[in-house]
Amino acid sequence: GEDVEQSLFLSVREGDSSVINCTYTDSSSTYLYWYKQEPGAGLQLLTYIFSNMDMKQDQRLTVLLNKKDKHLSLRIADTQTGDSAIYFCAETNSGNTPLVFGKGTRLSVIA
Amino acid sequence: GAVVSQHPSRVICKSGTSVKIECRSLDFQATTMFWYRQFPKQSLMLMATSNEGSKATYEQGVEKDKFLINHASLTLSTLTVTSAHPEDSSFYICSAAGWGGDNYGYTFGSGTRLTVV
Repeated sequence: GEDVEQSLFLSVREGDSSVINCTYTDSSSTYLYWYKQEPGAGLQLLTYIFSNMDMKQDQRLTVLLNKKDKHLSLRIADTQTGDSAIYFCAETNSGNTPLVFGKGTRLSVIA
Repeated sequence: GAVVSQHPSRVICKSGTSVKIECRSLDFQATTMFWYRQFPKQSLMLMATSNEGSKATYEQGVEKDKFLINHASLTLSTLTVTSAHPEDSSFYICSAAGWGGDNYGYTFGSGTRLTVV
């Protein structure tokens, strides 16, 4: 089946930028998402990108998509301690099929 | 934006009893809802896909008689864990697919922590 890979851990200093990377195998992937999960909570949609886009910026968040390499990244500018959480990359190739998730990247922000 | 309400957020039940978890899309219609299970420090595991008015599609290894899913309306899906046992203790999360307006595909509930004692 399709697969989504992420590094498991990332540690950054407060104020620095964080870059979380994700690779996927589905060549027909159309919708790609980044979700944030804080302890004991559900998933909060951070941002999304469609496969016909290369980049999307939303305030401190920048998503880059390299469709040729099937690589997705999430950059968080000016990372704050409140950004400490698990970040999940997910993709799907249609609007009503289940998302395929990566294992999540645990971001730790050091004050 | 789209909101999915999931209740209860936390439940403790005795072994052998059944527990119902509700998932409601508050401001959009969701023809498709998904139920996930998450073990500690792991990713989400898809249990089933639920379409309004039809039987749910279960993933391999998920017992459909144990995890009953009902999607009776475009805004409500329920998951009932029947005859719960301690190994069913987990974090259950629902997701609703909806497009249009501020909806960008998949909105998640806040999760239900089930503890079976």
